[in-house]
Parts: sequence; structure tokens; C-alpha cells
Amino acid sequence: GQQLNQSPQSMFIQEGEDVSMNCTSSSIFNTWLWYKQDPGEGPVLLIALYKAGELTSNGRLTAQFGITRKDSFLNISASIPSDVGIYFCAGQGSGTYKYIFGTGTRLKVLA
Amino acid sequence: NAGVTQTPKFQVLKTGQSMTLQCAQDMNHNSMYWYRQDPGMGLRLIYYSASEGTTDKGEVPNGYNVSRLNKREFSLRLESAAPSQTSVYFCASSGVGIADTQYFGPGTRLTVL
Repeated sequence: GQQLNQSPQSMFIQEGEDVSMNCTSSSIFNTWLWYKQDPGEGPVLLIALYKAGELTSNGRLTAQFGITRKDSFLNISASIPSDVGIYFCAGQGSGTYKYIFGTGTRLKVLA
Repeated sequence: NAGVTQTPKFQVLKTGQSMTLQCAQDMNHNSMYWYRQDPGMGLRLIYYSASEGTTDKGEVPNGYNVSRLNKREFSLRLESAAPSQTSVYFCASSGVGIADTQYFGPGTRLTVL
């Protein structure tokens, strides 16, 4: 079945640094979503991407829909302590209501 | 507008007991989903309902049943709980179109002893 590889699995960064993470798929997706999950909470939608090459920002967050439609990237600029959490990507293929989720990137920000 | 709500928040069961997890959304969404999340893993789809009156299996349906009671509500039932079903369960809903974003509930933390 479809698989999503999300990397890195975890990262420690200093406050103020920029962060990059990505997801790659074994097949083509039509939609990419990026979520953040805080401990004990459900995932919260950050950014949705619907078109190959699309670049979308939400505050300090920027995500891109890869041109091959098999990958997506999330960047966080000038990280702050509240950016700590787990970031998930999710992709949806053509003609399906199902989303496939990556295994998450655990981000820790050192003040 | 509460979004997606789930009950209960926490539950402890003994092996073999049954229970139903409840989910409701007030966003007039067509599609609803049940996922489980285990440590170190992403979200795995158990069942989904593309629209009222339809349900389909996801990646890990064994040991579960679902009911799409109406457009708002989608329940997940464990008929005979097993320790392997210890997990955090999330309900989600998505909007009108097939390519629409998903919104998640706060989760139910289930432990099966």
C-alpha cells in the first residue's frame, strides 16, 4: 500500500533557528496536509496544499507541494518554544476519501 | 461551533469487554473518519464514512465496527476488547468535496488490561 516517509524523525533546535522537514510518497498525491500535535491533543491543521508547485504560508510556516506530486516540505522560520510538538504530513490520492499519514517529526526547541 | 467532539476522553477496559466511542461534528461535513495512534507511529485509518449511509474499511479495521448514525455522528465499537487495542483514538471529519481538509477531535485514550 501507499507509504509516507517523513524526515527527520526528531530534531532539537535552538530558539530563533529555521526548521525544515519533508515527506515523500511512493505514489502521487493530489492533496497534502500538514498538522501539528501537542501532547494530549488532537492534530491541528496548519496548511493545506492542493496543487503541484503550490507554496503556501501561515505566519512563520511555509509549505510546498512538490512538483513531482510525491513530496511536500514544511519550513518554520525563527522557531520559538511553543513550536514544540509533533508535525505530521498527510497525503490524499486521486479518487479516494482516505488520507495517508506520515510517522511524524518531533520538534524540540531549546530556549 | 465546537468542531469535532469525542466521548469519553479516557477509558479503561478489561479484555473481552465491549464499548462504543462516540464522535460528533457540527461543521456539516460529509465525511468522517476513525484513526488510532500508537507510540512512535502515525495515524492509521480504521474506518471511514464518505457520506451519510456509507462506511468503508481503512488500513486496520479488524476488531472494530462503526455506525454512521446520521450526518453529525460516527461511532466506533469494540465488541471484545483486546490489549492490542490499547491506543489513542481520533475521530476526524472533512468537508463537502473529496479533496477537503480534515479536522480532528481531541482523542479518546483507551487502555485494555
